[in-house]
Amino acid sequence: DGGITQSPKYLFRKEGQNVTLSCEQNLNHDAMYWYRQDPGQGLRLIYYSQIVNDFQKGDIAEGYSVSREKKESFPLTVTSAQKNPTAFYLCASSTTGPPRRTGELFFGEGSRLTVL
Amino acid sequence: SQKIEQNSEALNIQEGKTATLTCNYTNYSPAYLQWYRQDPGRGPVFLLLIRENEKEKRKERLKVTFDTTLKQSLFHITASQPADSATYLCALLTNMEYGNKLVFGAGTILRVKS
Repeated sequence: DGGITQSPKYLFRKEGQNVTLSCEQNLNHDAMYWYRQDPGQGLRLIYYSQIVNDFQKGDIAEGYSVSREKKESFPLTVTSAQKNPTAFYLCASSTTGPPRRTGELFFGEGSRLTVL
Repeated sequence: SQKIEQNSEALNIQEGKTATLTCNYTNYSPAYLQWYRQDPGRGPVFLLLIRENEKEKRKERLKVTFDTTLKQSLFHITASQPADSATYLCALLTNMEYGNKLVFGAGTILRVKS
């Protein structure tokens, strides 16, 4: 079955450490996204990528980094510069083919990061 | 400033009744509005999309309306069931320099009691 796989599901980090969240998709989608979800707030866009080897900052990119070396993979690194990293992180993908303008997103199951 | 607002209070209804959730927005001109369902600890799942030139869209027990004058979308679940209990998110599609961007509301929790 096609889908998006995020790992790990739960992650604990000490202050000052960088952590990397994995996101893999086998939907053959060109576009991939990282969102952050906090209680009582809408999903906020961190980074997005429309094609391999290219990515753009979203609304809250500070303290995060990404890479897009393969179409299937879009890992997110939460660096020590991120002031409040405890959150639920969601990876998503979408097609950039003819239905592209509708923007329907396919989400992974999320990764919950807790800073100790 | 741009805002998307959904009822922050949970909606509690009795099984079999119609649930109606509201999404209001300001300072956007979305071409599309989408609704997603999110279960606790899971990623959102796409439910329905409605275009700016559509007044209403239906899918099984779900119905979405879109009033661009009022800047509001209503999401209805008829004959609600306990399995419908979840958080429902609305999202607007806006243009970015590279591709499109979905802007999400905070969601409304729906609880259906048997």
